[in-house]
Amino acid sequence: DAGITQSPRHKVTETGTPVTLRCHQTENHRYMYWYRQDPGHGLRLIHYSYGVKDTDKGEVSDGYSVSRSKTEDFLLTLESATSSQTSVYFCAIRLSLDGDGYTFGSGTRLTVV
Amino acid sequence: ELKVEQNPLFLSMQEGKNYTIYCNYSTTSDRLYWYRQDPGKSLESLFVLLSNGAVKQEGRLMASLDTKARLSTLHITAAVHDLSATYFCAVVPHAGKSTFGDGTTLTVKP
Repeated sequence: DAGITQSPRHKVTETGTPVTLRCHQTENHRYMYWYRQDPGHGLRLIHYSYGVKDTDKGEVSDGYSVSRSKTEDFLLTLESATSSQTSVYFCAIRLSLDGDGYTFGSGTRLTVV
Repeated sequence: ELKVEQNPLFLSMQEGKNYTIYCNYSTTSDRLYWYRQDPGKSLESLFVLLSNGAVKQEGRLMASLDTKARLSTLHITAAVHDLSATYFCAVVPHAGKSTFGDGTTLTVKP
């Protein structure tokens, strides 16, 4: 295991509430990513980080924000959850951009009711 | 915008048969990854293809990359039930972010 953990593993929340998902890594990887996975859409990039306090948007970033105050933690926040954000969220890490693939966390299944 | 198209999206095979999954992409790239996902699980890295003509093999799976044709293939030889899963390709363009295909769900039947 590459030392990447996501929490919580499952969450049910109400529409309009804020939600924060956590991704924690123990291997000092520089690059961290948040994806969502929905049936028929594969994985879509929400936000990514290339270092502490350095983040950028992915293709489906609306309604999400991220923070990375420490190398090991990458937080994804849904400011005001909507039903369309019901999904499985995966965090991924990458050692470098030179060829290493991604290592994925176990995922967080989020249901917004 | 990079587009990645996998086909087929669903594949039902008999054990012992061979088949190929295709991953086409729309812009120049020289890196492509293949992942496997079992139901309810995370993605597991299968292959990392880093140059034109790259070929990697692991057991009954073989992946190749043709950057000129913008095509990668994942070939399954003599399929067995344990290969039933969803397979994703992910393309990394030059100095860009990766894009995943929609996945191919493979079911191998006795």
